[in-house]
Amino acid sequence: QQQVKQSPQSLIVQKGGISIINCAYENTAFDYFPWYQQFPGKGPALLIAIRPDVSEKKEGRFTISFNKSAKQFSLHIMDSQPGDSATYFCAAYISSGSARQLTFGSGTQLTVLP
Amino acid sequence: DGGITQSPKYLFRKEGQNVTLSCEQNLNHDAMYWYRQDPGQGLRLIYYSQIVNDFQKGDIAEGYSVSREKKESFPLTVTSAQKNPTAFYLCASSIGTGVLAKNIQYFGAGTRLSVL
Repeated sequence: QQQVKQSPQSLIVQKGGISIINCAYENTAFDYFPWYQQFPGKGPALLIAIRPDVSEKKEGRFTISFNKSAKQFSLHIMDSQPGDSATYFCAAYISSGSARQLTFGSGTQLTVLP
Repeated sequence: DGGITQSPKYLFRKEGQNVTLSCEQNLNHDAMYWYRQDPGQGLRLIYYSQIVNDFQKGDIAEGYSVSREKKESFPLTVTSAQKNPTAFYLCASSIGTGVLAKNIQYFGAGTRLSVL
């Protein structure tokens, strides 16, 4: 099963608050987990990514927490800003033969209120 | 948009018409991909290509066709057989698709296709 489940579907946060988006997966063959940020009318842009042997990765205000035993990972946005308002997708890579397939979650629309 | 150019930005298709979406990359990436994005859903893989003159079906290839005659170009044709083509189409590329390759996918700005 190659599904990645993402929640919540939408999220509203006050400026300066913490935004938390969660993802869960079933297939233990997934081996790399990126997060993408997408603004309206634009393509997704890579935000941050993590390997399953790492429990946490931080880049600026963005942190991925990874729980391998629970098969869950989450994105935390600290000090959320109105400019962070976008749709966020979690994703997971899996090898399929010699190819690498990328499976996306359904997305979370984040709105940061000024 | 990282060296991946999709055109046109907006495209309209008439009933029974085939339309072709362009994707060009100047990143010297071997692998290219086409995804479809519907409102409230994640991206779904249509086709991908690991090298020139080779491509593979993704999860939703029916009603679509591709070609890969040049490393830089991976056009997608939405055929009349695709009964629900209205969506946002995204092209992506990566250095390679092999397990040991750095294969993070980078996306173009997308083409929004609507049916007249």
